[in-house]
Amino acid sequence: GENVEQHPSTLSVQEGDSAVIKCTYSDSASNYFPWYKQELGKRPQLIIDIRSNVGEKKDQRIAVTLNKTAKHFSLHITETQPEDSAVYFCAAPITGGGNKLTFGTGTQLKVEL
Amino acid sequence: DTEVTQTPKHLVMGMTNKKSLKCEQHMGHRAMYWYKQKAKKPPELMFVYSYEKLSINESVPSRFSPECPNSSLLNLHLHALQPEDSALYLCASSQVQIQETQYFGPGTRLLVL
Repeated sequence: GENVEQHPSTLSVQEGDSAVIKCTYSDSASNYFPWYKQELGKRPQLIIDIRSNVGEKKDQRIAVTLNKTAKHFSLHITETQPEDSAVYFCAAPITGGGNKLTFGTGTQLKVEL
Repeated sequence: DTEVTQTPKHLVMGMTNKKSLKCEQHMGHRAMYWYKQKAKKPPELMFVYSYEKLSINESVPSRFSPECPNSSLLNLHLHALQPEDSALYLCASSQVQIQETQYFGPGTRLLVL
């Protein structure tokens, strides 16, 4: 089955700096990679996703890059703000598993003033 | 309407109680999911329904009993739970096609005494 590793587990940045979170996956047949943001006590919320037919996707301050050869994808947040503080989860589908997703272990991002 | 709703928000129950969690979506999605999430951990899949039929059961103990009465509703019936079942229970929905975005509800925070 799919195995997703996520690093780092915690990340502290100064406001205005950039943050990068990286995930690696094992199943070369996977072609959809979502990122979820979960604030304390709230639901996981999709912030961006990428499919394997593109290498990069941007949405304002958030971007995701995908390297299918190396089997890794990364979340990039620029000009970080305190409201970006949350836990971020990457995920990858389990091929042959219907609609199952494997989640990474999560990254606690703290943006300090 | 792009939201998944869940009731109740909080639930406290004893080990001999019977209770139900409810989930509703009006996005026309025909796949619905139950996840269990412990603190500081990623969501853990419990059940998947596709076209109102149970398609995946991740070897969940029988004290958890899912039900999908129609395409918009998903229930999780709880009976004789253990304290270790205390967690955030998340519902999600998506299109049925594989590798589609899953949208999460706000969750029910369950405490078993």
